[in-house]
Parts: sequence; structure tokens; C-alpha cells
Amino acid sequence: AQSVSQHNHHVILSEAASLELGCNYSYGGTVNLFWYVQYPGQHLQLLLKYFSGDPLVKGIKGFEAEFIKSKFSFNLRKPSVQWSDTAEYFCAVNVNGNKLVFGAGTILRVKS
Amino acid sequence: DAMVIQNPRYQVTQFGKPVTLSCSQTLNHNVMYWYQQKSSQAPKLLFHYYDKDFNNEADTPDNFQSRRPNTSFCFLDIRSPGLGDAAMYLCATSRGLGGAETQYFGPGTRLLVL
Repeated sequence: AQSVSQHNHHVILSEAASLELGCNYSYGGTVNLFWYVQYPGQHLQLLLKYFSGDPLVKGIKGFEAEFIKSKFSFNLRKPSVQWSDTAEYFCAVNVNGNKLVFGAGTILRVKS
Repeated sequence: DAMVIQNPRYQVTQFGKPVTLSCSQTLNHNVMYWYQQKSSQAPKLLFHYYDKDFNNEADTPDNFQSRRPNTSFCFLDIRSPGLGDAAMYLCATSRGLGGAETQYFGPGTRLLVL
């Protein structure tokens, strides 16, 4: 069965620190990859997605992610985090055209 | 603003007492999904509707049912809730089926079973 692993469940950073959240998936075929974010008290919303083309994907709020097919990875990055980036981040894979398989999420806390 | 709305945000029910959670959307999307998210776990797809076509995940318990009376509304019925069904239930929509389609989520309903 397809699965998604997020390496860290909790991450604490100071403002202006760089961020990298790991995501690995298990599926050998064509994948579409997503990062969703859930700010405190809000609903899940799309941060960015990859479905074809340039493996470096840029999303909202200065986030980017790189799809490395050989490593089955789709890590999320931001060069300089802000206090407002405090949220839970979910990596997800769509493998059958209708089903998102999510990772367990990474809770990011940014200290001001 | 176009959105996905879930009511109520919190629902308390008793063990074995049927409960219905509701979801509505103003996006006019063809597909509606229900996910279950237990504490500190990944959201897990229960089923989805593509228009009126219902698609159940193989491991979704029979205790969970769904109805979609029209494009805008979708309901999750739990026939006999157990303590293990306490979770956040997320509704989502997408314009169509396809790997690259973005799913739009509602705020969720947190279900507590006493």
C-alpha cells in the first residue's frame, strides 16, 4: 500500500532560521505530490503541488519543494521562516487520481 | 467567498447513538470526500462521491455511510458510534478526479463519543 513518511513530528525554529521538512513516499508509479498547511484554528489549505515538469516547485508565502524521483522524496523548504509560519504541515501523494494519502504531519513552531 | 462548510464544528454523541455530520460547498465541485483524522495521525480517506457516484474505500467500516442529495451537500452518517470513532472528520471537494486536482478542505467536525 502507498504510504507517506514525514520525518519529524515537531520542529521548533527561531525566526529567520531556514526550514526543511522531509517527506518520503512509497509508490513506484507516476505520482502527484502536495504539501498542505493548517494554521491554528483554520482548515487545511494547499501550499504547493507537483504534477509534472520542473521538479522544483514554488508555492505561496515563499515556500518551495523539490521532487527527487530517485529518492522518492518531496521535501519542503523555506529560506527564512516567520512567526506566522507556525502551523502543521502535511505532505500528501495522489496515486490513483482520486485518493490523497497523507503523512502524519509536522508541527512547526516558530519562536519570535 | 466560495468555500467548504462543515457543521457542527464540534459534535458530542453517546456510544451507539447514530450521528450525522454535514458538509456543504459553494464551489460547485463535482467531487466530495470524507476523511477521518485521529489524534496525531494522518487524515484517512473514508469515501468520495463523484457527482452521484459513490466510491467506498475498501477498509472503511460498514458503520460509516454517506449521502449526497445534491451537488452542494454531503452527509456522513455513523450508525453506531464507538469510542474508537472519536476523531476529526474532514470534508473536501475537488473540481474533478485526476491526480493533479487540488482538494479544498472544510474546517472539520470534531466528534466526541461518550
